[in-house]
Amino acid sequence: GAGVSQSPSNKVTEKGKDVELRCDPISGHTALYWYRQRLGQGLEFLIYFQGNSAPDKSGLPSDRFSAERTGESVSTLTIQRTQQEDSAVYLCASSLAPLAGETQYFGPGTRLLVL
Amino acid sequence: QKEVEQNSGPLSVPEGAIASLNCTYSDRVSQSFFWYRQYSGKSPELIMSIYSNGDKEDGRFTAQLNKASQYVSLLIRDSQPSDSATYLCAVRTGTASKLTFGTGTRLQVTL
Repeated sequence: GAGVSQSPSNKVTEKGKDVELRCDPISGHTALYWYRQRLGQGLEFLIYFQGNSAPDKSGLPSDRFSAERTGESVSTLTIQRTQQEDSAVYLCASSLAPLAGETQYFGPGTRLLVL
Repeated sequence: QKEVEQNSGPLSVPEGAIASLNCTYSDRVSQSFFWYRQYSGKSPELIMSIYSNGDKEDGRFTAQLNKASQYVSLLIRDSQPSDSATYLCAVRTGTASKLTFGTGTRLQVTL
C-alpha cells in the first residue's frame, strides 16, 4: 500500500517568510510524528499527534513553529517568520498506534532551505 | 551527556566482513530500541527493533541489547557494498511515544 507522503519535497524560501509543510500518513495510522534533521545530524523530535490531538509538543523549538492535524489524517507543520537555522529536512512518520514498540514509518521528507 | 550516543564513524569494513555498530543510552527506563538505516538523501527505514535483553536475529542482521549496561548494538554479517549507509539508533523511553535518535554511524563497506 501507499506509504507516508510529504509535500513539497523541496522548499526554498527567504528569511522571514512563512512556510507550510504537509504530511499524508499511511491510511489507518492513528499516530503521526514530525522530526527535523539538520545536515549531518540525527533526528530531533518536534511534535506527536494521536488522532487530531497533540499530547506531546515538547520538541517544537519556538512559538514560530506550529502544527495541526485534521480528519485523523493529513498534518501540516507551519513555520512562521523563517530563520536560516530552520534549514533542515523535515520528516514525518506515522504508526498504527502510539504503543511502545510500534514501528514508525517515515516519509521522504521536505528539504527546507531558508536563504 | 547525550541521551543516545553513537560513534559518528565512518566505520569501514571490507566486503564479507562483520560490521559492528554500537549505541549507548542514558535513561534506564528506556523500553524499546530501534535501528534505522538511512541512505544519503533518503528517509530512515527500519532495520531491527528489540525490546528484551539478549540477541535478536533477522537474516544478516543481529541486534543485541544489554539493559544493565544501557547498550544496544547491531551486527551485520557478510557485509555488502549496498549496506553502506548511516545507521541510526533510536530509543523509546517510558510512556513517551516519540523516538530519541542518536546522530548515526556512517558505515562504508569496501570492495
